[in-house]
Amino acid sequence: KNQVEQSPQSLIILEGKNCTLQCNYTVSPFSNLRWYKQDTGRGPVSLTIMTFSENTKSNGRYTATLDADTKQSSLHITASQLSDSASYICVVITTGGGNKLTFGTGTQLKVEL
Amino acid sequence: DVKVTQSSRYLVKRTGEKVFLECVQDMDHENMFWYRQDPGLGLRLIYFSYDVKMKEKGDIPEGYSVSREKKERFSLILESASTNQTSMYLCASSLLAEGSNEQFFGPGTRLTVL
Repeated sequence: KNQVEQSPQSLIILEGKNCTLQCNYTVSPFSNLRWYKQDTGRGPVSLTIMTFSENTKSNGRYTATLDADTKQSSLHITASQLSDSASYICVVITTGGGNKLTFGTGTQLKVEL
Repeated sequence: DVKVTQSSRYLVKRTGEKVFLECVQDMDHENMFWYRQDPGLGLRLIYFSYDVKMKEKGDIPEGYSVSREKKERFSLILESASTNQTSMYLCASSLLAEGSNEQFFGPGTRLTVL
């Protein structure tokens, strides 16, 4: 069964600190992996996309990594800001057969002063 | 910027009512999707559409139907709302059928069925 598991479920950090969110997946066959940010009361917005051959991709203070061998991804947030408070969702996409996405349940991040 | 709009942010309905959730996208995307999002379960696909008048069942279509009469509009219909359909409903659109194409989401409709 295709699954995406994220950890931790929730996280509280102080403004300015770094943090790393984890995503493990069993989805097969793998096409690519996206990290989405979902602010409270809003729809998810894509942060990064990574294909099988990519190990690292950055988007400002967000850096995603992918290890396709161990089927793990991480999202590292540098110098956190209050506006980073949101749910971060890992999504794995399979190849062929259309647009099949498997969503993780998300990590709820809260950045405090 | 791609814009996906949903007709209501919050909706309260009674058990047995027929409910329409509307979604409109302004980027001429072929594909549109309806998801529901529940705590601890992540987003689950209800229905999707690759073209006008075409629809495909997702993972949890029971109790729902959809309509796509125009390319920019995708409607989700709850024929007879039940309390277990209380949820956040998210609409999304994407340009092509390939999985790598980004899905752009609307702001969501939080539906409460009493």
